[in-house]
Amino acid sequence: EAQVTQNPRYLITVTGKKLTVTCSQNMNHEYMSWYRQDPGLGLRQIYYSMNVEVTDKGDVPEGYKVSRKEKRNFPLILESPSPNQTSLYFCASSLTSGRSTDTQYFGPGTRLTVL
Amino acid sequence: QKEVEQNSGPLSVPEGAIASLNCTYSDRGSQSFFWYRQYSGKSPELIMFIYSNGDKEDGRFTAQLNKASQYVSLLIRDSQPSDSATYLCAVVSDGLTFGKGTHLIIQP
Repeated sequence: EAQVTQNPRYLITVTGKKLTVTCSQNMNHEYMSWYRQDPGLGLRQIYYSMNVEVTDKGDVPEGYKVSRKEKRNFPLILESPSPNQTSLYFCASSLTSGRSTDTQYFGPGTRLTVL
Repeated sequence: QKEVEQNSGPLSVPEGAIASLNCTYSDRGSQSFFWYRQYSGKSPELIMFIYSNGDKEDGRFTAQLNKASQYVSLLIRDSQPSDSATYLCAVVSDGLTFGKGTHLIIQP
């Protein structure tokens, strides 16, 4: 089954404790992206990757890191989480660059709470 | 800053009626337009996309695009309670930008 998976689905952590949210897709997509969704602010792009070893900042990259060592995986790293990073996070992928007309497929989401 | 604007709602529509959702965008160079549906706590799922001016129909859904007015809409005919969700408009221009969504409630 074609899908985007994220882990963990739910996470409660404390300020400053490094964490990684994994994202994996099995569709051989080139383009992958991370979004956060907050009430009243909608979906905002954090980082995106157009291919292996190619990543770039989205609209709200502060406090986050990403890497793209393999085509299928695009982990999101919070080196020192803070309460303002409490949010619902979505990973998404599409066949080619998000600048094209390709449909983005979303993962199930990760609900992160930073205390 | 490219902007995609949607009325946040809630938009309340009786069951069986037509629900009309609207979206405006700021970048006149935008080429592709998407409508996603998102149930509470779930991930967005694609309903339709449209590239050309005019109407595009898919079952009960019709997307309408007017590039001159920088306006895209989604009509849902014969609305069902299961259509109650948040509808996100997304526009492609140098990346994909989402609107904040319109919360639609279909009243039985």
